Amino acid sequence: SYVLTQPPSVSVAPGQTARITCGGDNIGSKSVHWYQQKPGQAPVLVVYDDIDRPSGIPARLSGSNSGNMATLTISRVEAGDEADYYCQVWDSSSDHYVFGTGTKVTVL
Amino acid sequence: QVQLVESGGGVVQPGRSLRLSCAASGFTFSSYAMHWVRQAPGKGLEWVAVASYDGGNKFYADPVKGRFTISRDSSENTLSLQMNNLRVEDTALYYCARNGQGNWLDPWGQGTLVTVSS
Repeated sequence: SYVLTQPPSVSVAPGQTARITCGGDNIGSKSVHWYQQKPGQAPVLVVYDDIDRPSGIPARLSGSNSGNMATLTISRVEAGDEADYYCQVWDSSSDHYVFGTGTKVTVL
Repeated sequence: QVQLVESGGGVVQPGRSLRLSCAASGFTFSSYAMHWVRQAPGKGLEWVAVASYDGGNKFYADPVKGRFTISRDSSENTLSLQMNNLRVEDTALYYCARNGQGNWLDPWGQGTLVTVSS
């Protein structure tokens, strides 16, 4: 089965840039989606199809995807960005949806 | 606005059954595939199952295949998950979510908690 690997945690100072990686075999050939989950809340879609943002999501959040790695970048980090972030793809070979292992972003 | 409200969670003994429901509103339910996703306490997200827009295609994660059944009722705008032969490791918060135009999930409900314990 397809596996997506994320770092367990990322720490960043306010105003700096956080980069959250999502590794998978030839993930660049797939569409990657990202979710933000704050404590006690349901996940919220923040990036879809590698680079697109739903309405209401600030442009400080951006995505990229190439080769074996996708990345969610949060620029000018704010305290409100502190959350767990998950990447997700659809694995066409199995018709399964796959989530990454999740990354906890801590704002110092 | 789009709303998904899960119900049916509770405490159940191993080997027993439970049926979850998700009431959908604010969109044309019969036009979208729908998912169940779970999250064990303190753990990450785990996809469980998906039903196509018309219920004609259903896919399941390996840990639940053969035990769980996803279904939908477009007359009632309801998504269901029949969970049989429950195991301790099925303990989780179960979310329903709508499939997007592509293969993303948006939005999500607030979840219903299932606890499997003797």
